[in-house]
Amino acid sequence: AQSVTQPDIHITVSEGASLELRCNYSYGATPYLFWYVQSPGQGLQLLLKYFSGDTLVQGIKGFEAEFKRSQSSFNLRKPSVHWSDAAEYFCAAGKGYQKVTFGTGTKLQVIP
Amino acid sequence: NAGVTQTPKFQVLKTGQSMTLQCAQDMNHNSMYWYRQDPGMGLRLIYYSASEGTTDKGEVPNGYNVSRLNKREFSLRLESAAPSQTSVYFCASTGGDRGTDTQYFGPGTRLTVL
Repeated sequence: AQSVTQPDIHITVSEGASLELRCNYSYGATPYLFWYVQSPGQGLQLLLKYFSGDTLVQGIKGFEAEFKRSQSSFNLRKPSVHWSDAAEYFCAAGKGYQKVTFGTGTKLQVIP
Repeated sequence: NAGVTQTPKFQVLKTGQSMTLQCAQDMNHNSMYWYRQDPGMGLRLIYYSASEGTTDKGEVPNGYNVSRLNKREFSLRLESAAPSQTSVYFCASTGGDRGTDTQYFGPGTRLTVL
């Protein structure tokens, strides 16, 4: 069965520090991979997606993610976190949106 | 251009009552989706519609029905609400369904079933 694991439930970083959110997937073949952000009381917003090609993917709001096939990982990174990045982040994997499996999310807290 | 809109924003039902959650998009998208989000879990797909006139079950369809009224609108109906259906419901849309298009989400409907 497909699964997506986000091992960190909560992460706290200082404003201006770098960020890496971890995501591992279990899937029969290389799936499409997604990162979403959800601000409190809001719907999800797609940050970036990978479906083929360059394994380093650039997204919106200064985020990037790297696909590593050997590690079945798709970690999200940002070089310098802003207070407005505080939110919950979801990794997802699947072959098409109707087959996507979501991770359980990582809540990011940003301290001044 | 409002994107994806959902009504209502909040709803409280008693067990056994019925209701319909409305969703509309103004991006001329072919595919629309209904998800539920529960604490400590990611989103789970309830139903989706790849195009006007078609609907298919997702991961957790039991207790729900859907209607793709036209290209813009995709409604979710709870015929006899149960406490297990207390959740936040999100509608989403994409131009296609393969995962290569950007998916847009509505703001959600918070439903409580007593």
